[in-house]
Amino acid sequence: KNEVEQSPQNLTAQEGEFITINCSYSVGISALHWLQQHPGGGIVSLFMLSSGKKKHGRLIATINIQEKHSSLHITASHPRDSAVYICAVLLMDSNYQLIWGAGTKLIIKP
Amino acid sequence: DTGVSQDPRHKITKRGQNVTFRCDPISEHNRLYWYRQTLGQGPEFLTYFQNEAQLEKSRLLSDRFSAERPKGSFSTLEIQRTEQGDSAMYLCASSQKTSGNTGELFFGEGSRLTVL
Repeated sequence: KNEVEQSPQNLTAQEGEFITINCSYSVGISALHWLQQHPGGGIVSLFMLSSGKKKHGRLIATINIQEKHSSLHITASHPRDSAVYICAVLLMDSNYQLIWGAGTKLIIKP
Repeated sequence: DTGVSQDPRHKITKRGQNVTFRCDPISEHNRLYWYRQTLGQGPEFLTYFQNEAQLEKSRLLSDRFSAERPKGSFSTLEIQRTEQGDSAMYLCASSQKTSGNTGELFFGEGSRLTVL
């Protein structure tokens, strides 16, 4: 079993739909990152969370430390949101050990 | 642009040649990380620096790989005698260490290496 699991692996939705991507982890962490990667492109950091909820534009990220679960939500989705969304956790007591989820490939159709 | 920049963005080389990648982090960031990502896989940690000190190096990094950050600002990653298995995207990230954790990571666009 992977230490960081994301679901779904693939998600196709229509423009305007509310999107949820989930991340569950089984290790102790000090922070959780949500990242976005476009095909052939680099990685963009969306959020870093250690508790609670953060919002940036149409993106919302939440984390429940007790349940070891985080969600990334996209409201009013748009085709430009199409990308791979990656959850990565920073191991507790580590300065660099990031464990990456496999990513969720999101396609938003116009 | 004050983000993390990497150069070159793409490099095609013949097996056996040496290549060097450069990463310029966000200026006030004291930590710099190198990752490698192969097609369809998540990024693998290679090494990281705090200021000019290389604090950790992955076992993935063979003797053919070396990284430096001589003045605690930009960093270089050199691969000697490249092999086809070195073909990957090399990602650089930087962060500002705050008390308790590593700070938010900011990634560059990556340097894609193709070894023929």
